[in-house]
Amino acid sequence: ETGVTQSPTHLIKTRGQQVTLRCSSQSGHNTVSWYQQALGQGPQFIFQYYREEENGRGNFPPRFSGLQFPNYSSELNVNALELDDSALYLCASSLSRGVGAGDTQYFGPGTRLTVL
Amino acid sequence: EDQVTQSPEALRLQEGESSSLNCSYTVSGLRGLFWYRQDPGKGPEFLFTLYSAGEEKEKERLKATLTKKESFLHITAPKPEDSATYLCAGEGGSQGNLIFGKGTKLSVKP
Repeated sequence: ETGVTQSPTHLIKTRGQQVTLRCSSQSGHNTVSWYQQALGQGPQFIFQYYREEENGRGNFPPRFSGLQFPNYSSELNVNALELDDSALYLCASSLSRGVGAGDTQYFGPGTRLTVL
Repeated sequence: EDQVTQSPEALRLQEGESSSLNCSYTVSGLRGLFWYRQDPGKGPEFLFTLYSAGEEKEKERLKATLTKKESFLHITAPKPEDSATYLCAGEGGSQGNLIFGKGTKLSVKP
């Protein structure tokens, strides 16, 4: 069974640029969630996709957007990058029985984004 | 506002010295309390899910317990390889997201 994978591992961008991060969910999982983790902090929820529809969003501006594809892989897009966007971006997948069912989320290794 | 608070922020133990990590939560309609282990620069690794007060789960030297307001992660006779940051998270409210604490950084010295 393949776990959650993310690409790229590391990324360096400059302020104002756009970035796309990718995630392949664990085999059989239908839900993907994205989190941002700043240094020394716990992960913060960005949004979640369930069967290709966004079904929850945290306190992040619209320049953070995403997609989920029919094979349940996902992308996170961030436009107009700011210095504060520098963080570890984590993708987590789960086999959801419905929104907010207490399903276990399994995390990928993350993408380290540095904005200069 | 839903919140998860972990204490202490950092904990240093000698090998074999047992201790507990605390996770206090105020999460409306808690549907699950999760513990993860995170090594530096890596993604969180799932440890336990607890669903109801009184529930306990064990894995090797770790044991997680849950009350209506807190969860504890007990570490018995820790080894240096147990050194990591331990994250606690609750799922509740109208969305299926996890609300994380800031973590407890555990260091176990030989």
